[in-house]
Amino acid sequence: KQEVTQIPAALSVPEGENLVLNCSFTDSAIYNLQWFRQDPGKGLTSLLLIQSSQREQTSGRLNASLDKSSGRSTLYIAASQPGDSATYLCAVPAYGNNRLAFGKGNQVVVIP
Amino acid sequence: EPEVTQTPSHQVTQMGQEVILRCVPISNHLYFYWYRQILGQKVEFLVSFYNNEISEKSEIFDDQFSVERPDGSNFTLKIRSTKLEDSAMYFCASRTSGGANEQFFGPGTRLTVL
Repeated sequence: KQEVTQIPAALSVPEGENLVLNCSFTDSAIYNLQWFRQDPGKGLTSLLLIQSSQREQTSGRLNASLDKSSGRSTLYIAASQPGDSATYLCAVPAYGNNRLAFGKGNQVVVIP
Repeated sequence: EPEVTQTPSHQVTQMGQEVILRCVPISNHLYFYWYRQILGQKVEFLVSFYNNEISEKSEIFDDQFSVERPDGSNFTLKIRSTKLEDSAMYFCASRTSGGANEQFFGPGTRLTVL
C-alpha cells in the first residue's frame, strides 16, 4: 500500500525566505507525482506535476524535484510571500495510474 | 480555463437522509473520481469511474455509496443513509485518458450530517 508522508507538518517563515517542503512515499514505482495547494476550507489547486522520467519541474517561483529511487520529492518556493500561506499536499498514484494517495500536507504560514 | 465544478458548496442533512452531490467534470475528460477529506485528516480516495462503470473503489465506498453519470456532463455521488461520520469535504476530480494523467479537482462540497 502506498504511504505518503510530508515533513514538516507545519512551518512559519518570515516573508522573503525560501520554503522547502518534503514529501516521501513508500512505493517508488510511480507514474507521476502532483503537488497541490489547499487554502482553508477550500478545494485543491494543482501546482505542479512531475512525470516519473523527470527530475524536476518549475513554474514561476515554484520548483519541484523528484528522486524516484529514494521515494522523495521536494517543493521549493522561492522568496515566499504572505499569499503563499496555505497547506501544500503531495500525491502519488497508489495503484497503477488511478487513485491518488495523499500526504497530510505541509501547513505554511508566511509572516509579513 | 476549463475547470471542475461542484454543487452544492455546502450541504447540511439529518442522519439517515439521502444526499446527492453533483459534479461537472472538464468536458473532454474521461476518468472521474470522488475523494473525501474529513476535517484535519488526509484526502482519501473513494471511487473512480471510466466508460460508464466503476473502475476502482476503496474500502470506504460501501453499499451506502453509489455513483452515476446520468447525462453527458454530470457525475454524481449518492449517499443513501448518511451517518455522522460521513461529515467531510467531498471532492470530485477528472482527467484525460492520456498525456500527463494530471487530475484536476473541483472546489468541493462540505457535507455536514447532524
